[in-house]
Amino acid sequence: EAQVTQNPRYLITVTGKKLTVTCSQNMNHEYMSWYRQDPGLGLRQIYYSMNVEVTDKGDVPEGYKVSRKEKRNFPLILESPSPNQTSLYFCASSPGAGYGYTFGSGTRLTVV
Amino acid sequence: QKEVEQNSGPLSVPEGAIASLNCTYSDRGSQSFFWYRQYSGKSPELIMFIYSNGDKEDGRFTAQLNKASQYVSLLIRDSQPSDSATYLCAVKSQGGSYIPTFGRGTSLIVHP
Repeated sequence: EAQVTQNPRYLITVTGKKLTVTCSQNMNHEYMSWYRQDPGLGLRQIYYSMNVEVTDKGDVPEGYKVSRKEKRNFPLILESPSPNQTSLYFCASSPGAGYGYTFGSGTRLTVV
Repeated sequence: QKEVEQNSGPLSVPEGAIASLNCTYSDRGSQSFFWYRQYSGKSPELIMFIYSNGDKEDGRFTAQLNKASQYVSLLIRDSQPSDSATYLCAVKSQGGSYIPTFGRGTSLIVHP
């Protein structure tokens, strides 16, 4: 089944404890992105990648890191999480420019 | 700053009626337009895309694009309670990296 897989689905952590949210797609898509979704603010792009080793900042990159060492994987790293990073996170992938995204199931992160 | 505007709703329609969802965008260079459906607690799902002026139909869904007026609409015919969800409009500009801008979504409620 073609899909984008994110893990974990739910995560509660403490301020300052480094964490990684994994994302993997099995559709051989070129493009991958991370979004966060907050009530009243909609979907905001954190980082995106157009190919292996090619990443760039989205609208809200502060406090996040990403890497794209393999085509299928695009992990999101929070080196020192803070409570304002409590949110619902989505990973998404696309075959290329002009195509829509396929979204993962989401990761609900709570930072206390 | 590229903007995509949607009325947050909720838009309430009776079962069997036509639901009309609208989206306006600020960037005249926008080339690709997408509609996503997001059920509460779930990830967005691509339901329609349109690139050219005019209408595009897919089952009960019709996307309408008017580039001169910078708006895109989604019509849902014979609305069903299962169509109750938030509908997100996304717009991508011509060229450059693939960075779609999402609207904040319109909540649709279809009541029996």
